[in-house]
Amino acid sequence: GQQLNQSPQSMFIQEGEDVSMNCTSSSIFNTWLWYKQDPGEGPVLLIALYKAGELTSNGRLTAQFGITRKDSFLNISASIPSDVGIYFCAGRLGKLTFGTGTRLTIIP
Amino acid sequence: DTGVSQDPRHKITKRGQNVTFRCDPISEHNRLYWYRQTLGQGPEFLTYFQNEAQLEKSRLLSDRFSAERPKGSFSTLEIQRTEQGDSAMYLCASSIGDLPGETQYFGPGTRLLVL
Repeated sequence: GQQLNQSPQSMFIQEGEDVSMNCTSSSIFNTWLWYKQDPGEGPVLLIALYKAGELTSNGRLTAQFGITRKDSFLNISASIPSDVGIYFCAGRLGKLTFGTGTRLTIIP
Repeated sequence: DTGVSQDPRHKITKRGQNVTFRCDPISEHNRLYWYRQTLGQGPEFLTYFQNEAQLEKSRLLSDRFSAERPKGSFSTLEIQRTEQGDSAMYLCASSIGDLPGETQYFGPGTRLLVL
């Protein structure tokens, strides 16, 4: 099935660093979503974006819905150990189409 | 707990056996979705229901797969004659509808291992 292009595939950072990841698509979506998934669990919604150009924050997380409606980015500021996990973008046009995921690891 | 629940959480079966998974959506959520996630990949859409009507099925949903939502509440996903390639996490999600702001919430998933 189709998956969105998400980068980077993995990140190794130190606690306190900022993180940036993005997602691109060849298709237009009317909603962009960012989820976090811990091992053995389902994805948990972090941020939802509903309008092109929209910039939304949720605590240390900031995400933007690209003007072309074909891309989105997620920033995490001042990372902490509980940020470890896999982050997925998803575009919605009825069903969700997910990105390939970004695995975030924090180096002690 | 008012979240999406799935049962069982884990299932190990032998190739050729049939398995059935259950999903209980958030109360009053009209839409229910099934996704499949293999190791290292994002979830992939399988099918969805609006109340009891199955409105879309992915090409990933072969003839061995069948999903039902008979009363518009819980849903079951059955896989007949399982194959090793069916090993994956099966995720269920629900939403009120499809309008902006009505996002999908996921359950914890059922992890299937076919030996």
